[in-house]
Amino acid sequence: DIQMTQSPSSLSASVGDRVTITCRASQSISNYLNWYHQKPGKAPNLLIYAASSLQSGVPSRFSGSGSGTDFTLTISGLQPEDFGTYYCQQSYTTPVTFGQGTKLEIK
Amino acid sequence: QVQLQESGPGLVEPSETLSLTCTVSGGSISSHHWRWIRQPPGKGLEWIGSTYHSGSTNYNSALKSRVTISVDRSKNQFSLKLRSMTAADTAIYYCAGARNTASHDGWFFDLWGRGTLVTVSS
Repeated sequence: DIQMTQSPSSLSASVGDRVTITCRASQSISNYLNWYHQKPGKAPNLLIYAASSLQSGVPSRFSGSGSGTDFTLTISGLQPEDFGTYYCQQSYTTPVTFGQGTKLEIK
Repeated sequence: QVQLQESGPGLVEPSETLSLTCTVSGGSISSHHWRWIRQPPGKGLEWIGSTYHSGSTNYNSALKSRVTISVDRSKNQFSLKLRSMTAADTAIYYCAGARNTASHDGWFFDLWGRGTLVTVSS
């Protein structure tokens, strides 16, 4: 199975900050990488698919980049509603696997 | 707007079989391919299995001997059965819809149910 490793595991940032979360795959996955945001008690919500494509309805402050094994999710101009946990997920091969999550706290 | 809703027992006894149903409303069950995903309390996400328009299925190898996913198109529903439940299967179970695009064949999950907590205990 492909292992997905996110860093950091947690972070704290202020409203307006630029935040970067990294996801590394244990082997090359081309651009088969998706990002989700999950608030406590809620289901995950798709933010980015195919590494850099913004899902319809998702604010443009979210962006994704990367290819191969290293990927980045960037939030430009953090908003209070962005708290929660972020997950990366590879869809290169079965089983699809998720990163362990990055918990984002708003200062 | 397509919505998903999981239904089933919140409590299952050890060794019993979990049966969950996901109802697709507001649209066609043919709009997506379907997945079950679970999340142990306070932990990360684990893919359980998939079903496709073709009728084919595939399952997480760690669960494969215990899992069955099926679709009832006449009811706009798909279902999960997980046999021989143990405490390690205690989790929030999500049904999800997967699709890809003409330019990228990787699956992404853009539809999720609200999730249902299943506890395994006697």
